[in-house]
Amino acid sequence: SAVISQKPSRDICQRGTSLTIQCQVDSQVTMMFWYRQQPGQSLTLIATANQGSEATYESGFVIDKFPISRPNLTFSTLTVSNMSPEDSSIYLCSVEAGRYEQYFGPGTRLTVT
Amino acid sequence: AQKVTQAQTEISVVEKEDVTLDCVYETRDTTYYLFWYKQPPSGELVFLIRRNSFDEQNEISGRYSWNFQKSTSSFNFTITASQVVDSAVYFCALIPNTGGFKTIFGAGTRLFVKA
Repeated sequence: SAVISQKPSRDICQRGTSLTIQCQVDSQVTMMFWYRQQPGQSLTLIATANQGSEATYESGFVIDKFPISRPNLTFSTLTVSNMSPEDSSIYLCSVEAGRYEQYFGPGTRLTVT
Repeated sequence: AQKVTQAQTEISVVEKEDVTLDCVYETRDTTYYLFWYKQPPSGELVFLIRRNSFDEQNEISGRYSWNFQKSTSSFNFTITASQVVDSAVYFCALIPNTGGFKTIFGAGTRLFVKA
């Protein structure tokens, strides 16, 4: 398994600003993922972040809005840029820890006012 | 199409009742992986089980059991003698063998267990 921490756990932000979410894993992993969970909804994959390469974004998500960094095998950041109230969600990072088992961080609850 | 359907939006039971959460999946792949996750009110997703498409054995873990049937493309989850702490949203998910490691989540089933 893998233990994942995220910072911040929650935040309230003004529209038009940006927030960077950090994800730290207790072991080296190749694949890290960022998901968005809008209120009362399921999880939607934003992008896959592999160390040493550009993140791969899913349809409907773009790098200008959600830039991602992956500087090493234990850490990644997701920035939510130029926020609007529609960006209010839980943002979760996850890792693939072998054998197709995926573990999730505790999430970052973002409210945009 | 690659899809996971959890038709039950919400289920409410009384403590000690058994409850089954349904999951039906669609995939073109012959190799794939199925999962269940629990999301309690705290928000963190907890991994419960992984099954690959070649292993149709049912599994039991304490009060939890899973029934995988390829013939009906279903991967149902039963909680026996439910407890209040089982109250959560439960997600069924699919990873097809093709398309990278993209996980396809169902819409989730919210389970309320009343004391």
